[in-house]
Amino acid sequence: GQQLNQSPQSMFIQEGEDVSMNCTSSSIFNTWLWYKQDPGEGPVLLIALYKAGELTSNGRLTAQFGITRKDSFLNISASIPSDVGIYFCAGLLYSGGGADGLTFGKGTHLIIQP
Amino acid sequence: DADVTQTPRNRITKTGKRIMLECSQTKGHDRMYWYRQDPGLGLRLIYYSFDVKDINKGEISDGYSVSRQAQAKFSLSLESAIPNQTALYFCATESGGFYNEQFFGPGTRLTVL
Repeated sequence: GQQLNQSPQSMFIQEGEDVSMNCTSSSIFNTWLWYKQDPGEGPVLLIALYKAGELTSNGRLTAQFGITRKDSFLNISASIPSDVGIYFCAGLLYSGGGADGLTFGKGTHLIIQP
Repeated sequence: DADVTQTPRNRITKTGKRIMLECSQTKGHDRMYWYRQDPGLGLRLIYYSFDVKDINKGEISDGYSVSRQAQAKFSLSLESAIPNQTALYFCATESGGFYNEQFFGPGTRLTVL
């Protein structure tokens, strides 16, 4: 099956710093999604990317779908305390007949020191 | 009100017991999924369903079964729970089509002693 390598595994940063995380895959994907999970909650979708090369922003978040379709990155600018959580990338290969579920990275745990 | 709900939110049970986790959605989505989350392993797909008559195994279906009783309901069963099934379980829905955005429930924390 497809494998996603997400890095870094964890990040300890100061409030106000920019954050960058990425995912790489051994397989190509049609869709890349970035989710955030707060403690005790389910993942919430942040950004969805559908086209190779696509660069999409959502407030202080920016994500890109790599040209090779095998990677994606997520940047967070000027981090604030509520950015703390676990960030997951997820890839989907849509075969026309349906998608058989997302493949998730193992997550990046973001910790912000005031 | 939440679009995707899961019950129970927490459950502690003993080895060998039968457990059912329930998921309901009001989003009107045809597709529903069950995932398992373990620390450091991300989310792994257990089963998924594209409509009421459709059931498909995911990456880690052994030891689990599912039932899609209606478009809005998708339940996950552990016929004989074992300790390594201790995990956080998430249900998700998806509208289908090209835009494959999945929406997750709040999770069920299951502990098998």
